[in-house]
Amino acid sequence: GDSVTQMEGPVTLSEEAFLTINCTYTATGYPSLFWYVQYPGEGLQLLLKATKADDKGSNKGFEATYRKETTSFHLEKGSVQVSDSAVYFCALSQGGSEKLVFGKGMKLTVNP
Amino acid sequence: KAGVTQTPRYLIKTRGQQVTLSCSPISGHRSVSWYQQTPGQGLQFLFEYFSETQRNKGNFPGRFSGRQFSNSRSEMNVSTLELGDSALYLCASSPLAGGIYEQFFGPGTRLTVL
Repeated sequence: GDSVTQMEGPVTLSEEAFLTINCTYTATGYPSLFWYVQYPGEGLQLLLKATKADDKGSNKGFEATYRKETTSFHLEKGSVQVSDSAVYFCALSQGGSEKLVFGKGMKLTVNP
Repeated sequence: KAGVTQTPRYLIKTRGQQVTLSCSPISGHRSVSWYQQTPGQGLQFLFEYFSETQRNKGNFPGRFSGRQFSNSRSEMNVSTLELGDSALYLCASSPLAGGIYEQFFGPGTRLTVL
């Protein structure tokens, strides 16, 4: 079946550091790809998404590009802030379904 | 606009009991999905409902069941609770089915089984 593999961490960075979280997937066809973020005590929030190859999703300074040739959707941010401390999940869905397949999640802590 | 609400937020039950969790989607949303989140297994899909019909079901035993009402509110039930059912149960809603629209997640119900 479909699966998502991502860096699990935890990772601690200093404010203004560069962030990369690797995500690769295994799926048939052409899935849509997502990054979700979960802040302490809250549900998941959609951070960004891409629905076809070479699409770039971006939001709040975060970016990820759908690379079909490497089946990857790595998340990047050039300068992290303390407020970015959260757990980040990579996920995919197949056409016609609300079902999301998630990676294990990566906890990020950003220190001032 | 109010977000997805889940009740109760916390539950403590003992093995063998059953439990019902409730999810009220964002007003106007007709699709509801449920997920189980545990430290070991991560986030796993339970069910997807649209217009009172179950469209998709994850790989969980028959002790896990759900339903959706005509007002789009949804409930999930777990019977004969086991220790391993301790988890955060998340509900998500979207305007329609089909994976086209963004899903909005609730804060979850934290279930502890003793």
